[in-house]
Amino acid sequence: DGGITQSPKYLFRKEGQNVTLSCEQNLNHDAMYWYRQDPGQGLRLIYYSQIVNDFQKGDIAEGYSVSREKKESFPLTVTSAQKNPTAFYLCASGTGGLYTGELFFGEGSRLTVL
Amino acid sequence: AQSVTQLGSHVSVSEGALVLLRCNYSSSVPPYLFWYVQYPNQGLQLLLKYTSAATLVKGINGFEAEFKKSETSFHLTKPSAHMSDAAEYFCAVTRNTGGFKTIFGAGTRLFVKA
Repeated sequence: DGGITQSPKYLFRKEGQNVTLSCEQNLNHDAMYWYRQDPGQGLRLIYYSQIVNDFQKGDIAEGYSVSREKKESFPLTVTSAQKNPTAFYLCASGTGGLYTGELFFGEGSRLTVL
Repeated sequence: AQSVTQLGSHVSVSEGALVLLRCNYSSSVPPYLFWYVQYPNQGLQLLLKYTSAATLVKGINGFEAEFKKSETSFHLTKPSAHMSDAAEYFCAVTRNTGGFKTIFGAGTRLFVKA
């Protein structure tokens, strides 16, 4: 089945450690996105990529990094510079067009900093 | 700049009652608007989208939304609530600033009472 796979579903991290969240899609979509979800704040855009080997900062990119070496993959690294990393992280993909605009989401990764 | 405001972080209805979830947007150009639903610990799923073809948009699970330009609103309705409708609902707008990005409202959690 086509879709987006995020892993791990749950992750615990000690302060000062970097962690990488995986996102893989087999929908042949050009665009991929990372959102952060906190209670009462909706989804906030961290990074997005419209094409392989290119990506742009979203609204809350500080303390995060990404890469887009393959069309199918868009991993997110939460670095030690991120002051409040505990959150639910959602990866999405789309065709990148304004008209369609529909995003397809993974099941999410919940990161907890101990 | 485009933004989305959802009125009411929590809405409670009785089973069989009308569901009304409110969404207002601000946009300098005609927008593309979406409603997504999220069940606990899962990703988001598209309910419906407005792309200027018709002002009344029908989606999945009996939901529909009406685009009202004069009121800058895109409220989500369902004539009769079902227990399975209990979830969080997000209104979203797509903007094009150096790439197509989707901006989400803060979300409205719907509770359905038996």
